[in-house]
Parts: sequence; structure tokens; C-alpha cells
Amino acid sequence: GAVVSQHPSRVICKSGTSVKIECRSLDFQATTMFWYRQFPKQSLMLMATSNEGSKATYEQGVEKDKFLINHASLTLSTLTVTSAHPEDSSFYICSARSVPQNTEAFFGQGTRLTVV
Amino acid sequence: QKEVEQNSGPLSVPEGAIASLNCTYSDRGSQSFFWYRQYSGKSPELIMFIYSNGDKEDGRFTAQLNKASQYVSLLIRDSQPSDSATYLCAVTTSGTYKYIFGTGTRLKVLA
Repeated sequence: GAVVSQHPSRVICKSGTSVKIECRSLDFQATTMFWYRQFPKQSLMLMATSNEGSKATYEQGVEKDKFLINHASLTLSTLTVTSAHPEDSSFYICSARSVPQNTEAFFGQGTRLTVV
Repeated sequence: QKEVEQNSGPLSVPEGAIASLNCTYSDRGSQSFFWYRQYSGKSPELIMFIYSNGDKEDGRFTAQLNKASQYVSLLIRDSQPSDSATYLCAVTTSGTYKYIFGTGTRLKVLA
């Protein structure tokens, strides 16, 4: 399958700081990338859909000013958690779809964020 | 009603047995159905997908889709301890291509 690289895999930050997570499609162009959050023993919850060159579409209840998403190219999307708080600690996972539209999505390795 | 439902388990099966995992969905317009495996602390990995009613086989795995009854299942033949993981069912909603995930079923294969 296609390769999606997510970085960093783990990050610990202080409360009130911002953290940027990168998601790259290494061997294909991704017009659409998705950002998920997963709390322990829970399923993946879609946070937002990111389309290259346009604003992200956020799911209900997700603060777009807190979770900034940028999808500037067909191979890179970033998620910035601004003014992080301990309740933002979670496993963040991106996924990407290739062009032309192929419904299979490939996942990055995930980022374990801990806010202390 | 949740959009995609799975029994959380754990489902325990002996090594070599068939594991049967089930998933129901509420949106009749759902188009594509996926099974992912997720090991603890890791990201999901795609096992297989199915679009049409019926069975689809890939090695030890068989996906079954019944759109009339709105369920999709995954059979794992000759289960191995390494199959122990959480299995996530995902459905793409009509017109949006967003994935909606179930809560996952935890499978334990006992050696």
C-alpha cells in the first residue's frame, strides 16, 4: 500500500504551548487528508477533512481556531494544536487518499501528544 | 443510534479457529466498507475493503457484505496469536468519502 509518514511519533509539551504535527504522503499525491483523534480504548474520531489548497472542513464540536490545519501541497498537511491543555493529550492520526479518487485511505503512524 | 456499531469484545478464540467479527451501519447510502487492524499504541492498518454484496476473500481473511441488512463482517480463518488486536470497521458515507469508524472489536487469539 501507499506510504503516509507522520511526524513526530511522540511529543510532550507544556500546557499553553503549540505543537505542530506533519503528515506526508511519500509515494502518491493526496488531494484529501483526514485528521483523527483517538482517546484510550475509544475509536478514531474524525476531526477535520483537509483538501489541498482550500480551507479544512471541521467536524462538529472541533474548534478550528485551536486545531489549525494547513494543506499547502499534495503531499503535506499539518495539524497545529494551539495553546495545548492536558485534555488535548491524545493519539492523533492522519490519513490520506490518493489521486485519482481512490476510496482506500492510508494512515500515518500516529502522534502521541502528552500535555503536561 | 451510532452510525457504525461493533461489539467491543473481547472476543476470545483458540488458535486455529475461525474468528467472526461483525459490524452494522445506519446509513443506507454507504458505499464502501473497510476493515482495519490496530495494535495497541499503533495506527490502523488496512486489512481489506469491500464494495459489493457478497464475499471477498484475501488469504485467511474473508469480508462479507449484506447491504439489505446493513452489516459487514470479517472472518479470520486459522486464527493466530499475532491476530490479537482491535479490529475497526469503517464506512464511507455517500457523497463525502469521509470514513466513519466503529468503536472496534478486541480480538484475543489464545495459544
